[in-house]
Amino acid sequence: EAGVAQSPRYKIIEKRQSVAFWCNPISGHATLYWYQQILGQGPKLLIQFQNNGVVDDSQLPKDRFSAERLKGVDSTLKIQPAKLEDSAVYLCASSIGHQETQYFGPGTRLLVL
Amino acid sequence: DQQVKQNSPSLSVQEGRISILNCDYTNSMFDYFLWYKKYPAEGPTFLISISSIKDKNEDGRFTVFLNKSAKHLSLHIVPSQPGDSAVYFCAASNNAGNMLTFGGGTRLMVKP
Repeated sequence: EAGVAQSPRYKIIEKRQSVAFWCNPISGHATLYWYQQILGQGPKLLIQFQNNGVVDDSQLPKDRFSAERLKGVDSTLKIQPAKLEDSAVYLCASSIGHQETQYFGPGTRLLVL
Repeated sequence: DQQVKQNSPSLSVQEGRISILNCDYTNSMFDYFLWYKKYPAEGPTFLISISSIKDKNEDGRFTVFLNKSAKHLSLHIVPSQPGDSAVYFCAASNNAGNMLTFGGGTRLMVKP
């Protein structure tokens, strides 16, 4: 069974630029999560989707971050404009349902200069 | 406000000995707890979980203990193996596994 796929794996941008990350969850997984992991910290949930609907986005900085999962399968997370403090690993996870084990992708490492 | 804390950033143990990783939480509404293991350049992988109705859960070499009155959980690995060297995150939820709050992680190094 293929795992959660994420791309790109690495991205370097300058502050105020825009960036987008892509995630393809495990086939059949209805729930998709985006996490931000700053160096030395644990992952922090940004947004959770159930199919193509948002379950929780209370920790998403909505002035600059946006995410969508239009067809209920893959998802994109966008940052516009990026700030230095956005440098982190962005992890995508999926689960069969909203109370099931979450499986994580390898993450996208973002460096904002 | 850190609701889940792992106060030891690193731990070093000898191969074959026991590894004990600790985690404290402050939110009494948490009712489900998990441990994830993370290797470099990979995403976290689920290791073991425990519901608040239990105080112990075992899976092979891994055992998780929960002390609700102390708001403390621990992960025991016996015997420790060099392949166990990784960063371990504890996580908690107040919705049976949904909406996870992670601790900062503990780096375990198992020396041959």
